[in-house]
Amino acid sequence: QSVLTQPPSVSAAPGQKVTISCSGSSSNIGNNYVSWYQQLPGTAPKLLIYENNKRPSGIPDRFSGSKSGTSATLGITGLQTGDEADYYCGTWDSSLSAVLFGGGTKLTVL
Amino acid sequence: EVQLVESGGGLVQPGGSLRLSCAASGFTFRSYWMSWVRQAPGKGLEWVANIKQDGSEKYYVDSVKGRFTISRDNAKKSVYLQMNSLRAEDTAVYYCARDGHPFDHWGQGTLVTVSS
Repeated sequence: QSVLTQPPSVSAAPGQKVTISCSGSSSNIGNNYVSWYQQLPGTAPKLLIYENNKRPSGIPDRFSGSKSGTSATLGITGLQTGDEADYYCGTWDSSLSAVLFGGGTKLTVL
Repeated sequence: EVQLVESGGGLVQPGGSLRLSCAASGFTFRSYWMSWVRQAPGKGLEWVANIKQDGSEKYYVDSVKGRFTISRDNAKKSVYLQMNSLRAEDTAVYYCARDGHPFDHWGQGTLVTVSS
């Protein structure tokens, strides 16, 4: 069981909006930046969001990130079938001196 | 273009050893932390280890401490993962990642299978 908690799955229709939560504690999310990764089937993960809410170049503004206290949220608007993937949150844990990932959330675009 | 290419994966018996390599190109390798992240079949991502730019700091997930060693050669622009005393639960795809806090570039991964 991961220290960072994500819902196992979420789903929504094309064009709709979805949010994915990531819950942690003061030793990880509460005091460190959160990043989000997208893993399309059969491929390596790809950085979507870093430092809680920043997008690397090339990532569309349909993807957004936010953080409040010990939780973080990934938002995706204008859902497309190509967004079907596994999404992971990640952060540093100051007590463990280790990088943590959430358990992952499978997004289905119905 | 940033490229990370892993190699060295394969089938190994429990208790055996394997050394993974990751060759980097397209960026100033000596300026970045580097990490290894693994993914067991059908499971999520698990960070394994990282190493500072000059190799002076290394961190490991508890499950591999004392068995795995991360190292780097800045002249060869490569990072390595020496894996000893391998267990069935170490079976996974191992990814090399540029650790710019966050992991902003990933390799394609190399599969390690621990089985008799």
